[in-house]
Amino acid sequence: GIQVEQSPPDLILQEGANSTLRCNFSDSVNNLQWFHQNPWGQLINLFYIPSGTKQNGRLSATTVATERYSLLYISSSQTTDSGVYFCAVEYGNKLVFGAGTILRVKS
Amino acid sequence: EPEVTQTPSHQVTQMGQEVILRCVPISNHLYFYWYRQILGQKVEFLVSFYNNEISEKSEIFDDQFSVERPDGSNFTLKIRSTKLEDSAMYFCARGGVYEQYFGPGTRLTVT
Repeated sequence: GIQVEQSPPDLILQEGANSTLRCNFSDSVNNLQWFHQNPWGQLINLFYIPSGTKQNGRLSATTVATERYSLLYISSSQTTDSGVYFCAVEYGNKLVFGAGTILRVKS
Repeated sequence: EPEVTQTPSHQVTQMGQEVILRCVPISNHLYFYWYRQILGQKVEFLVSFYNNEISEKSEIFDDQFSVERPDGSNFTLKIRSTKLEDSAMYFCARGGVYEQYFGPGTRLTVT
């Protein structure tokens, strides 16, 4: 099956810093989503981005489908950005998740 | 407003007992999914359900598990004879035009 790898596994930032999270996948996909899992465990949709670039406030994402990777950019990080960020790709009729990046933003 | 709601939010059960987890979509959809997340691990696909039938299931989804849509609205996941290793967060998701939307989850604790 498809492999989805995220890096880095852990990231600690000072409030106000910028960061880039990466997602590599081993096969062609039709759909890629980024999620934020908050401290209560909820999975919050950030981006649906099978290709190209999208921006939403301080967050933006880019997927280069031909090279099988996606990047999530967080600018001017805030403590509320803390949590786990998951990349998930659609493979067959299901989402396959990466292991996530644990982000901690310190004030 | 959540795309789907799930009940209960937390369930504690004893090993060997049966549990039923419920998912209620806000509006009618054809595609539904169940995923689980063992504490500290990634989210894993269990089963997809399309037009009231199982569309795809993972190796995890063995005879211990079943899904149904008993009244045309609620969507349930039944786990027979629970094991300690079934302790996890269980997410229901509904399929959109392009992306999946997840419910808040049910945390199942098997003691």
